Amino acid sequence: DAGVIQSPRHEVTEMGQEVTLRCKPISGHDYLFWYRQTMMRGLELLIYFNNNVPIDDSGMPEDRFSAKMPNASFSTLKIQPSEPRDSAVYFCASSDLRVRYGYTFGSGTRLTVV
Amino acid sequence: GQQLNQSPQSMFIQEGEDVSMNCTSSSIFNTWLWYKQDPGEGPVLLIALYKAGELTSNGRLTAQFGITRKDSFLNISASIPSDVGIYFCAGQMNRDDKIIFGKGTRLHILP
Repeated sequence: DAGVIQSPRHEVTEMGQEVTLRCKPISGHDYLFWYRQTMMRGLELLIYFNNNVPIDDSGMPEDRFSAKMPNASFSTLKIQPSEPRDSAVYFCASSDLRVRYGYTFGSGTRLTVV
Repeated sequence: GQQLNQSPQSMFIQEGEDVSMNCTSSSIFNTWLWYKQDPGEGPVLLIALYKAGELTSNGRLTAQFGITRKDSFLNISASIPSDVGIYFCAGQMNRDDKIIFGKGTRLHILP
């Protein structure tokens, strides 16, 4: 299995631009999670889905952030408009909680907003 | 909300030394997990603990689930350069619950 695949690996954008991060979970996993990692705050859970349905979005920082999961093999996290304080590494993770504990993480997207 | 406190935040050790780090919680968990994050990569699950008092090994790594269910520790024996990274503890109440992550312990190995 190729694991959780995120794209792009790196994104540099100007303040005010729209940013879209993409994730392909492991096939058969029914949970998908979006995390943000910064030095100050560590790993923060932004939102998670179960069977493509958003379950908890209480971690989404502002209305500028939105996430979708149109099907079992694809999810996006969009920031519009982006701000410098959004600079962070964004991770997607997936899991099949019926089979095992723990999540499998992607390699992350490093976002820099200038 | 639930919080996990990891200590130390950062460690500088010599290659070959043993390492010990721990994690405490203000509330109980039914599962404790330890992850490692290599530079530029996502966290990878190292060890999962399912029962209070459980001691589990994975190569040079040993982790224990505290009796009170509010703490866990991770030991690394005979550290090597590839052990460098961030080690996260994580707790979970039930299988369908969110995993709560600590802020991590950064391990540095001095040449």
